[in-house]
Amino acid sequence: DAGVTQSPTHLIKTRGQHVTLRCSPISGHKSVSWYQQVLGQGPQFIFQYYEKEERGRGNFPDRFSARQFPNYSSELNVNALLLGDSALYLCASSLAWGYNEQFFGPGTRLTVL
Amino acid sequence: DQQVKQNSPSLSVQEGRISILNCDYTNSMFDYFLWYKKYPAEGPTFLISISSIKDKNEDGRFTVFLNKSAKHLSLHIVPSQPGDSAVYFCAASDSGGSNYKLTFGKGTLLTVNP
Repeated sequence: DAGVTQSPTHLIKTRGQHVTLRCSPISGHKSVSWYQQVLGQGPQFIFQYYEKEERGRGNFPDRFSARQFPNYSSELNVNALLLGDSALYLCASSLAWGYNEQFFGPGTRLTVL
Repeated sequence: DQQVKQNSPSLSVQEGRISILNCDYTNSMFDYFLWYKKYPAEGPTFLISISSIKDKNEDGRFTVFLNKSAKHLSLHIVPSQPGDSAVYFCAASDSGGSNYKLTFGKGTLLTVNP
C-alpha cells in the first residue's frame, strides 16, 4: 500500500506569492494533519482535519489555511509568503479520530526568496 | 516554551552497543508518547509509542521507557546498527484535548559507527 504522498516535492516562490501544497493520506485513513519543520527544529503543528472538518489549529497566522476533501486528501494554502515561511511542510495521516499514531509523508520543501 | 525537550543534540555509539535517547516533557496533560526516526530529505518514520498507562513498550530492537513522575522517557536501541543513524524525534499528545496534535522535541542526531 502507498504511504502518505505529497506534491510538489520542492517549490521555490518569491515573497508575497501564494502557494498550495497537496497531500493524499494512506488509503483508509480519514484524518490529516499538517506540520511545518524549520531547520534545527522539530515539526510544529499547523492544522488537523477529520471528516473534512478542522479539528485543531496551531499558532500560525491567518495567512495559513487548509481544507480536506471528500476523498480525505488535503491541501495547505499559504498567502502573502514571507521569507520565514521557508521550511519543510509535512503532511501526516491517521486512521481516524482518536488515533495518536500519525504517519508522515516525505514533505514539500518550500523556499521563499 | 518548549513542552517537549531533547537535551542532547547528538549522540555517537559503536555498532552493536546500546543507544539511549532521552526526552523530557513539562505538560502533565500529555498521555501518549511517540518516537520517530528521520533521514535527510524524508519525512519522519514512526518507530514506537507508549501510553501513559504503561511504563515500557518493546518492539524488536526498540524499547521505550516512560517515567511519569519524572516526566521523562527514553528510547533504547539494542543492538545499534549503522542504518539506525538518523535524527530521532520524541513527540507527545494530549488525548483528552480537543485534537490529537503532536508536540515534538528538537531531535537528537544519532550516529552509529561501524
